[in-house]
Amino acid sequence: AIRMTQSPSSLSASTGDRVTITCRASQNISSYLAWYQLKAGEAPNLLIYSTSTLQSGVPSRFSGGGSGTDFTLTVSCLQSEDFATYYCQQYYSYPLTFGGGTKVEIK
Amino acid sequence: QVQLVESGGGGVQPGRSLRLSCAASGFTLNSYGMHWVRQAPGKGLEWVAVVSFDGSNKYYGDSVKGRFTISRDDSKNMLYLQLNSLRDEDTGVYYCARGGPKILRGTYYYYYMDVWGKGTTVTVS
Repeated sequence: AIRMTQSPSSLSASTGDRVTITCRASQNISSYLAWYQLKAGEAPNLLIYSTSTLQSGVPSRFSGGGSGTDFTLTVSCLQSEDFATYYCQQYYSYPLTFGGGTKVEIK
Repeated sequence: QVQLVESGGGGVQPGRSLRLSCAASGFTLNSYGMHWVRQAPGKGLEWVAVVSFDGSNKYYGDSVKGRFTISRDDSKNMLYLQLNSLRDEDTGVYYCARGGPKILRGTYYYYYMDVWGKGTTVTVS
């Protein structure tokens, strides 16, 4: 199975900050990477697919980049509603796998 | 409005079985691959299973292979997950998720997850 490693596992930031989360795949997954946002008690939310394509309705302050094995999720100007846990996920091969998650907390 | 609503969770003893259901509305199920994903308490997301848009292919995570079965009834717009031989480590919130547009790579279709339900909780103890 492809292992997905996210870093950091948690971070503290303030509203208005620029935040970047990284995700590394244990092998080349081309651009078959998605990012999700998870808040307690809510349905997870797709943010980005195909590495950098913003899902409809997702604010443009979210962006994704990378290819092959190294990927990033950036929030350009953190808003209060962005404090959540973020997961990367590869859909290059079965079994599909997620990163361990990055919890973004209020500083 | 596109919506997924899971049901069927609850408390169950180890070794017993449970069937989860997912009711889809606002879209036609038979055009989409469908997933189950779970989250154990205090842990991250774990992909469980997928069924292809036409029901012809099913794939499972290693930890549930041989114990869980995914199925669909497009006439009812329903997705199911049969959980057998349950273990303590199967405890968690189970989400159903709609697959995004199918991606053919080699001989397999792949799907990310573009719409999720709020989940149903399974407790094995």
